[in-house]
Amino acid sequence: RKEVEQDPGPFNVPEGATVAFNCTYSNSASQSFFWYRQDCRKEPKLLMSVYSSGNEDGRFTAQLNRASQYISLLIRDSKLSDSATYLCVVNYNQGGKLIFGQGTELSVKP
Amino acid sequence: DTAVSQTPKYLVTQMGNDKSIKCEQNLGHDTMYWYKQDSKKFLKIMFSYNNKELIINETVPNRFSPKSPDKAHLNLHINSLELGDSAVYFCASSATITDTQYFGPGTRLTVL
Repeated sequence: RKEVEQDPGPFNVPEGATVAFNCTYSNSASQSFFWYRQDCRKEPKLLMSVYSSGNEDGRFTAQLNRASQYISLLIRDSKLSDSATYLCVVNYNQGGKLIFGQGTELSVKP
Repeated sequence: DTAVSQTPKYLVTQMGNDKSIKCEQNLGHDTMYWYKQDSKKFLKIMFSYNNKELIINETVPNRFSPKSPDKAHLNLHINSLELGDSAVYFCASSATITDTQYFGPGTRLTVL
């Protein structure tokens, strides 16, 4: 079983749609959680950290359920520029080791 | 100004050769990393250094040797390159091992 699992997609949605990505992780000792975004042939960039209480940044909302070892990302009012691969990332806080999911590809169409 | 930079951006070489990839960060961070992204797009950590000391070595073949001459630099030397080494290699840095990691633009290595 992969340490961090995501639906690879692709998710093809129209502009303005709401889309949700899910992620599960296997190690209950995981300490911190993130969503990164990776555009084609570019480096991953931090989109947002994920906190137990849930957190929002503009059109993006992240949720964490430690009991179920489940992380989610909700994107409202999708824009063309949201098209990218979204990476679910877990940190065990062991020397800064980040564990990446395989990514979920999002394509927003006009 | 580029925060985390890598050179070269592209590297095409023959099997058996030895090559190096350089990484520099101008963020004043203490911790630097090397990650490998293979053809299936999985990103996996290879090494991490904190204050020039190796703290993670993720079962990487000893053909791969990182070197940190100072806190701002973490270079990756690869001996006897193999076809399976073809991938994109990303350098990253963070203020400490628990802080946000910032990635360099990647080095696309192709071994022929």
